[in-house]
Order: sequence, then C-alpha cells, then structure tokens
Amino acid sequence: DTAVSQTPKYLVTQMGNDKSIKCEQNLGHDTMYWYKQDSKKFLKIMFSYNNKELIINETVPNRFSPKSPDKAHLNLHINSLELGDSAVYFCASSQWAARLDEQYFGPGTRLTVT
Amino acid sequence: QQQVKQSPQSLIVQKGGISIINCAYENTAFDYFPWYQQFPGKGPALLIAIRPDVSEKKEGRFTISFNKSAKQFSLHIMDSQPGDSATYFCAASMKAAGNKLTFGGGTRVLVKP
Repeated sequence: DTAVSQTPKYLVTQMGNDKSIKCEQNLGHDTMYWYKQDSKKFLKIMFSYNNKELIINETVPNRFSPKSPDKAHLNLHINSLELGDSAVYFCASSQWAARLDEQYFGPGTRLTVT
Repeated sequence: QQQVKQSPQSLIVQKGGISIINCAYENTAFDYFPWYQQFPGKGPALLIAIRPDVSEKKEGRFTISFNKSAKQFSLHIMDSQPGDSATYFCAASMKAAGNKLTFGGGTRVLVKP
C-alpha cells in the first residue's frame, strides 16, 4: 500500500554507463516530480510532469531524460553517467487539478557512480 | 541565488524543550510554505504547511509562524522528543512556477534524552 514507490533503492554503477530509475504512485495524483538530493542534503527540483506532459525542466544536463508513460508513472533515464551524478533521487507526486499543493515523496534511490 | 534560506544548520535540544527553525524567502510570489521532516535513509515527509494569508498554524506539537512583511516563517517543535531527531526542511512554492518546491538547506535536529 506504498503511496509513492521507487526502484531500485540503491544503484551502483560505473562512469559512462546508462541507467534508469522508476517511480510509481498509487495516490491517483496527476503530477509527478523528480528531485535530486546531493551529498550536503540539498534538495533541488529537476523535472515535473502533469498528465504526462513536461511542465518543469530545470537546468539539468540533457543526459537526464524523464519519461511519463501514464499519470501514475515517471521514470528517469540517465545516459553517460558521471561521478557528479552520485546523489539520492526522489520522486514525488501531487494533485494539481484539485489545486492541492501537498507533495508526497518516495523513499529515494541512492545512485553511486564509481 | 538561494531563494529560501534556513537556519540554523544544526540544533541540539533537550527532551521536553522547544526546537525553533527559521526560514527566510526572497520571492513574494511564493504562495505555499511547507515543512518536511526527513529521517536517515527515508524520503522527506510533509509535516505541516501554511499559506501567506495565515500568520500561524498549529498541528499537535508543531507550529508554523508566518511573517509576510518580513518574508520569514518558522517551525516550532514543542515538547521535543528523541523521536523528533531528524533533518527538517522548509520549502516554498508557487502555482505559477508549476508548484516546484524550492527548499531551504535543512536543519539537523538532535533531541537529547
């Protein structure tokens, strides 16, 4: 009965590889987000999708490509991984249509690039 | 440019004491101000939130005080418990910017028994 789930929880990979992180929410929300938390715990928005449409695209390298196959899923694909991509990536969701601002976060995916 | 500044970075309080965390924001267009609690290895969890038309909101032991003219808001944790030991983040968002949350830098709170 997890509200926002992410897979995998941990991801260890080498520089130059391509990897994906998956997110699913069962809250019936229409908007999903990706946030990055760096080693100093700072949280920053990366992307947001509303009804499968990209609405926020912060200054993120184009090696990062989000994809939303439906309202309940938002995946993050990262090409040519670099050491600086090591971080914890959080997915979140909210219900935009109801003008509710509460965002609910997943448990995070800790990405380590070696 | 850090739009939401949070202080202190860390805080130690005795059990039963009051924890106070302060945040200041730059953009007057922000219209929603949540606080999140994060335990190690977990995602941020929404704790309490306020809108700028209200000066105070209380939920259990947690209170937000909001000062619109000063562009500041704070979280008070009354009767702090060891289980409150976590990192707390203030944030701000606005509908016009897609509701993206702009976070403060976080405050690590340790409640000593």
